[in-house]
Amino acid sequence: DQQVKQNSPSLSVQEGRISILNCDYTNSMFDYFLWYKKYPAEGPTFLISISSIKDKNEDGRFTVFLNKSAKHLSLHIVPSQPGDSAVYFCAASEVSVGNYKLTFGKGTLLTVNP
Amino acid sequence: DGGITQSPKYLFRKEGQNVTLSCEQNLNHDAMYWYRQDPGQGLRLIYYSQIVNDFQKGDIAEGYSVSREKKESFPLTVTSAQKNPTAFYLCASSIGPVFEGAKGYTFGSGTRLTVV
Repeated sequence: DQQVKQNSPSLSVQEGRISILNCDYTNSMFDYFLWYKKYPAEGPTFLISISSIKDKNEDGRFTVFLNKSAKHLSLHIVPSQPGDSAVYFCAASEVSVGNYKLTFGKGTLLTVNP
Repeated sequence: DGGITQSPKYLFRKEGQNVTLSCEQNLNHDAMYWYRQDPGQGLRLIYYSQIVNDFQKGDIAEGYSVSREKKESFPLTVTSAQKNPTAFYLCASSIGPVFEGAKGYTFGSGTRLTVV
């Protein structure tokens, strides 16, 4: 049972355009969501997060939107740069109960073409 | 600089042999985790440890074993019982439970295990 779903295995965009990566979740108890970025043969690194009490969080070129009723979040990258080419993982947790575990999606490979 | 060190980066073993992957952190984090990454499968939790001398099975623990004798170290043994051991293994740590505003986990750079 996949609780965090990233239904697009890959996405290709032109440099300077917007990249939109999507993530859906099924567990209504999730209350904290994170995005990680991963380059080949390296570990994921934290990118941005959002609490379930918010619907938007912005950090520079990266914005995460949360639609709690639809159980959907998206990561927007504007403008996209070639260095953004990586696999992006969506992750979720139920922090209100002191949870240690993050549940990850399968990832989306973003390719930004010069 | 604090961080997580996984060694070696690449590891080759013959089928039927046990192999131990190293993970060391100097972040003073209480919790440590092992994930496995396969193409198209994302990150799947193998084992995690909230505190020294304690650990719990994750979603795919079969064929793996761990120990947590020191706060800094969380080695993973891939046993001969693991049917498909070839994968990219990631170790991670966190200061404690995930909390709002936190960055979640700090990951190591991974070990690519190939069993032939």
